[in-house]
Amino acid sequence: QQQVKQSPQSLIVQKGGISIINCAYENTAFDYFPWYQQFPGKGPALLIAIRPDVSEKKEGRFTISFNKSAKQFSLHIMDSQPGDSATYFCAALQQHSAGSYQLTFGKGTKLSVIP
Amino acid sequence: NAGVTQTPKFQVLKTGQSMTLQCAQDMNHEYMSWYRQDPGMGLRLIHYSVGAGITDQGEVPNGYNVSRSTTEDFPLRLLSAAPSQTSVYFCASSRREELTAAFFGQGTRLTVV
Repeated sequence: QQQVKQSPQSLIVQKGGISIINCAYENTAFDYFPWYQQFPGKGPALLIAIRPDVSEKKEGRFTISFNKSAKQFSLHIMDSQPGDSATYFCAALQQHSAGSYQLTFGKGTKLSVIP
Repeated sequence: NAGVTQTPKFQVLKTGQSMTLQCAQDMNHEYMSWYRQDPGMGLRLIHYSVGAGITDQGEVPNGYNVSRSTTEDFPLRLLSAAPSQTSVYFCASSRREELTAAFFGQGTRLTVV
């Protein structure tokens, strides 16, 4: 059972356009929703994250929108640049007592920004 | 300051062989974890550790063992490699207070033939 569903699998956007990646989750116990960016041959890197009591978070050209009732969240990249071309992963974190946790990733979206 | 260092970067194993993937971090992070990344599957948590001497299973632990004798090191052992373990493996570390702000290593590309 896939707990975090991400779409689309791939996305092509023209330079200057808006890139939108969507994720949906099922487990209401998730309490933190990060997005990661991964360039080829590199490990993922945290891009931006949001808590479920916040509907939107913006950092530069990157914005997360969060809809708790629909159990959906999305990443918007404004003014997309060729340097944004990478694979993006949404994820959801559930922290348990005694320090254990579960970090579940979506399957990823390969973004290509063309000049 | 090296961050998270994984060795080796590439490895080819024969079915049934054993090996250890090494992971070391120099940031004094409490949490360390191992993920595998397969095409179209995202990253899946194999094992993690919340501190020296403490480990726990993730989503896909079968066929892998871990131990954490020091804060810095978190090796992943494949006891008897299988073709299904062909994957790219990432080690990550983070502070207890910032679990999602994980620092990932460069990855180990493992092929089991």
